[in-house]
Amino acid sequence: DQQVKQNSPSLSVQEGRISILNCDYTNSMFDYFLWYKKYPAEGPTFLISISSIKDKNEDGRFTVFLNKSAKHLSLHIVPSQPGDSAVYFCAASVRGSTLGRLYFGRGTQLTVWP
Amino acid sequence: DAGITQSPRHKVTETGTPVTLRCHQTENHRYMYWYRQDPGHGLRLIHYSYGVKDTDKGEVSDGYSVSRSKTEDFLLTLESATSSQTSVYFCAISGGSGNTIYFGEGSWLTVV
Repeated sequence: DQQVKQNSPSLSVQEGRISILNCDYTNSMFDYFLWYKKYPAEGPTFLISISSIKDKNEDGRFTVFLNKSAKHLSLHIVPSQPGDSAVYFCAASVRGSTLGRLYFGRGTQLTVWP
Repeated sequence: DAGITQSPRHKVTETGTPVTLRCHQTENHRYMYWYRQDPGHGLRLIHYSYGVKDTDKGEVSDGYSVSRSKTEDFLLTLESATSSQTSVYFCAISGGSGNTIYFGEGSWLTVV
């Protein structure tokens, strides 16, 4: 049973525009959320995270929004660049558990075209 | 770079043979993890360790064992490899001053 869901397997965006990647979760015990970017043949790279006590976290071109009532989070990339083309994974951690016990979505392939 | 080295990076083995993957970290982090990545599943936790000789199971631990005799090394063993264990295996670490988890570059295992 997938507790973290990324329902869009792919997203295509023009360079300079905004990319919005979505993630839904079912477990109300999740209290920490992370986004990872992954290039082919490499390990996932940490991008940005958010705690459940916040509804927004920003880091440069990347902003994560958390809507706890809807059990939904999104990653905004503005402006999108060709180098952002990668698979993006949403992950969540349960309150009180070991931080690295993460539950991942299946990923969204982002393609940024010139 | 998070100071994580996985070995081997690529391996082809036959069904029924034992396989050990090694994860080595230079960060002195307390926690270490083994994940596998398969198409359509994202990453799933196999086992993790919260200290030397302290390990616990994750979501998909059947068919795998782990050992951690030193802080820096975390070994994942497939006692008798099966084709369903063909996957990409990622080691991860956490426990430093930052509140995040860092992944290694992966080990590609093919069981034929």
